[in-house]
Amino acid sequence: KQEVTQIPAALSVPEGENLVLNCSFTDSAIYNLQWFRQDPGKGLTSLLLIQSSQREQTSGRLNASLDKSSGRSTLYIAASQPGDSATYLCAVRYNAGNMLTFGGGTRLMVKP
Amino acid sequence: NAGVMQNPRHLVRRRGQEARLRCSPMKGHSHVYWYRQLPEEGLKFMVYLQKENIIDESGMPKERFSAEFPKEGPSILRIQQVVRGDSAAYFCASSPNRDSPAEQYFGPGTRLTVT
Repeated sequence: KQEVTQIPAALSVPEGENLVLNCSFTDSAIYNLQWFRQDPGKGLTSLLLIQSSQREQTSGRLNASLDKSSGRSTLYIAASQPGDSATYLCAVRYNAGNMLTFGGGTRLMVKP
Repeated sequence: NAGVMQNPRHLVRRRGQEARLRCSPMKGHSHVYWYRQLPEEGLKFMVYLQKENIIDESGMPKERFSAEFPKEGPSILRIQQVVRGDSAAYFCASSPNRDSPAEQYFGPGTRLTVT
């Protein structure tokens, strides 16, 4: 069964810390992996997309890595800010399908 | 270039009524996906459509749910005879085509409440 798991489910850090969110997937035959941000009661904002042939992608203070062989991706957030507080979702598109399979998310709180 | 549009943003229906959710993809996008987020649960895929075709409906409940993406106009997700368990946020996403760049862009969602 193709599943996506995110650890931790919730994380609270003081402002300024660098942090890492983890995503694991059960099948290495992936097409791509996306990281999203979701604010309470809102839609999803795409942060980074990593194709299966890539190892990492960067956008501003965000860096996402992909290790297909171990079935893992990490989202690194540098110098966290209170505005980063949100739920971060990892989603995998497996080769066999068109849909995204989502993890349960990590709820991040950055305290001023 | 407007993003993915969904309406209504909030919808309240009584048990047994019908709910119609609309999604207009981004300009130039011909692929539409519907996902459902139940309270305290993750997003789950429901259906993938191209213009006038349902490509993959493996995530759709077998009864009461249907989806379409006509040649003209928005994609519609239709839920007949709603029950309390249908209360959820329904998200639509679109992409230009399946392979390039394959990134899915999400709308703001429709929050359905069944009373």
